[in-house]
Amino acid sequence: GAGVSQSPSNKVTEKGKDVELRCDPISGHTALYWYRQSLGQGLEFLIYFQGNSAPDKSGLPSDRFSAERTGGSVSTLTIQRTQQEDSAVYLCASSPAPGNTEAFFGQGTRLTVV
Amino acid sequence: GEDVEQSLFLSVREGDSSVINCTYTDSSSTYLYWYKQEPGAGLQLLTYIFSNMDMKQDQRLTVLLNKKDKHLSLRIADTQTGDSAIYFCAERGRDDKIIFGKGTRLHILP
Repeated sequence: GAGVSQSPSNKVTEKGKDVELRCDPISGHTALYWYRQSLGQGLEFLIYFQGNSAPDKSGLPSDRFSAERTGGSVSTLTIQRTQQEDSAVYLCASSPAPGNTEAFFGQGTRLTVV
Repeated sequence: GEDVEQSLFLSVREGDSSVINCTYTDSSSTYLYWYKQEPGAGLQLLTYIFSNMDMKQDQRLTVLLNKKDKHLSLRIADTQTGDSAIYFCAERGRDDKIIFGKGTRLHILP
């Protein structure tokens, strides 16, 4: 594809509901990252996938957050029992082979929990 | 764990040079980056430097890396109104995890 694609671009959900956010990385990119950007905050690292290795989940803020990456390509970030503090822009990035320079970002999913 | 720190705001007069500073903690960083985020837009890579370099120049941009002090800076010469954005410093560790700072909002004064 032309770039990293994220869907939906906007999501409004009620507190307590589960949400799934999708990321389609650039074809052939082995590394995939999820970040969260809250209003006025920087990019908070959430999780990192590299090829077939076990993901680095060290940034997930609670056990309500999980992510998977199927077939080394598409990734889904799931937030269970959403809370208002989960409202943020969720950004996905992908990068070619390990050690490559650039991570390419998608446009993000703006999640609003009401 | 890894951490990246940068000041949150910088105001510069149009035509002057802007210098944005960043410190990081991971001594095994391989690459260090500057990303730019304009209002309502996504993140774009502005420039990067490999950890065995101490300087990189690209047109109006100069990146300086002091590996001993784990200090990175971005200098923008002849700052223009179009440079108004949030600038994120980031470091890539040997495990390829990329950690970002909170971003520096650059405001251009007329």
